[in-house]
Amino acid sequence: DTEVTQTPKHLVMGMTNKKSLKCEQHMGHRAMYWYKQKAKKPPELMFVYSYEKLSINESVPSRFSPECPNSSLLNLHLHALQPEDSALYLCASSRAGPEYFFGSGTRLTVV
Amino acid sequence: AQSVTQLGSHVSVSEGALVLLRCNYSSSVPPYLFWYVQYPNQGLQLLLKYTTGATLVKGINGFEAEFKKSETSFHLTKPSAHMSDAAEYFCAVSFNDYKLSFGAGTTVTVRA
Repeated sequence: DTEVTQTPKHLVMGMTNKKSLKCEQHMGHRAMYWYKQKAKKPPELMFVYSYEKLSINESVPSRFSPECPNSSLLNLHLHALQPEDSALYLCASSRAGPEYFFGSGTRLTVV
Repeated sequence: AQSVTQLGSHVSVSEGALVLLRCNYSSSVPPYLFWYVQYPNQGLQLLLKYTTGATLVKGINGFEAEFKKSETSFHLTKPSAHMSDAAEYFCAVSFNDYKLSFGAGTTVTVRA
């Protein structure tokens, strides 16, 4: 199994809603990532978890809250988002180094 | 600081023609280098990667890339373009520090 599975594939939420994005992998990777990608732009790193601990936070606003419940799961909790937060959110996993696997993403629209 | 530059935001080729996408990196030490492809409304798919060893790397879908340390380059090529190659292509670098940095991307269109 070399897949990173993201759910849901599409999400529309209001600015007062609370929602969560989910990411799952069963490759035994101990590093997991959240990226944000705006249209026609490269992915931008948001968070890195290494061995289930948050190791990198790229100055992301607190309305985005990551969580790593176990080595296979990564969540991104969303609250009070703004329309400019609409984007494709990509999850990835890797070994400690050069082997990154990406999910197909969640297309988020904030209305 | 590490960085990667993709020359040309848009490349248009005829079906059957050579595809050449350019990528240069800025680093004092050789990084790990990657090429990813992204089709509309999809995630990123790894085409190929260079870590160590052979500098000519073969990937999926007939793509290959050559790591040239002296030129700090990792250009992607495919001898004969197919309509299905129309997509966004990203070059990326990593130094085994959990940070994967992407170039700005190159949009490839294929003319029939």
